[in-house]
Amino acid sequence: QKEVEQNSGPLSVPEGAIASLNCTYSDRGSQSFFWYRQYSGKSPELIMSIYSNGDKEDGRFTAQLNKASQYVSLLIRDSQPSDSATYLCAVNMRAGSYQLTFGKGTKLSVIP
Amino acid sequence: EAQVTQNPRYLITVTGKKLTVTCSQNMNHEYMSWYRQDPGLGLRQIYYSMNVEVTDKGDVPEGYKVSRKEKRNFPLILESPSPNQTSLYFCATGQGAYEQYFGPGTRLTVT
Repeated sequence: QKEVEQNSGPLSVPEGAIASLNCTYSDRGSQSFFWYRQYSGKSPELIMSIYSNGDKEDGRFTAQLNKASQYVSLLIRDSQPSDSATYLCAVNMRAGSYQLTFGKGTKLSVIP
Repeated sequence: EAQVTQNPRYLITVTGKKLTVTCSQNMNHEYMSWYRQDPGLGLRQIYYSMNVEVTDKGDVPEGYKVSRKEKRNFPLILESPSPNQTSLYFCATGQGAYEQYFGPGTRLTVT
């Protein structure tokens, strides 16, 4: 069974702090990794994609990928109350396919 | 404006009454997919389509049908809905580097 695991949280951080969200996946051959943000009652919104080992930065967001450890993370710097949402990790486990396996999400709460 | 639209956004129906949820996209994406989202179970794929007339089952296809007769549309059909199909449904589209973009969702209640 191909799986993506996330801590369900809730993860609470104070405003201005760094939020660290983690995700592990079971298929060593996975190639593409995505982070989605989902506000309550809304649809998932793609915020980061990463395809190679290392860090990828976009504004206050940094995605980190370590394929050897089968681990992907999302760092949110200078967290804002508007960042409070559920963050979904998604992994493409089949080369040449669009099929994504989603984790169940980590709920982040940024406290003013 | 690039978008994925779903209709209806909310639907309450009764067991056994056939229904269709439409999904339409204006981004010329080849890939389209349907997911359901349930508390504690996360997002699970129902069906997907790589192109017109090409569809395949996802993880939870039982009780659902799809068709892809045109590139922009990918309707989800429930021939005989049951209460266990009460859920939040999302259509998604994709192109290029396997990124997917989600529609606004359809909240379905089957009584």
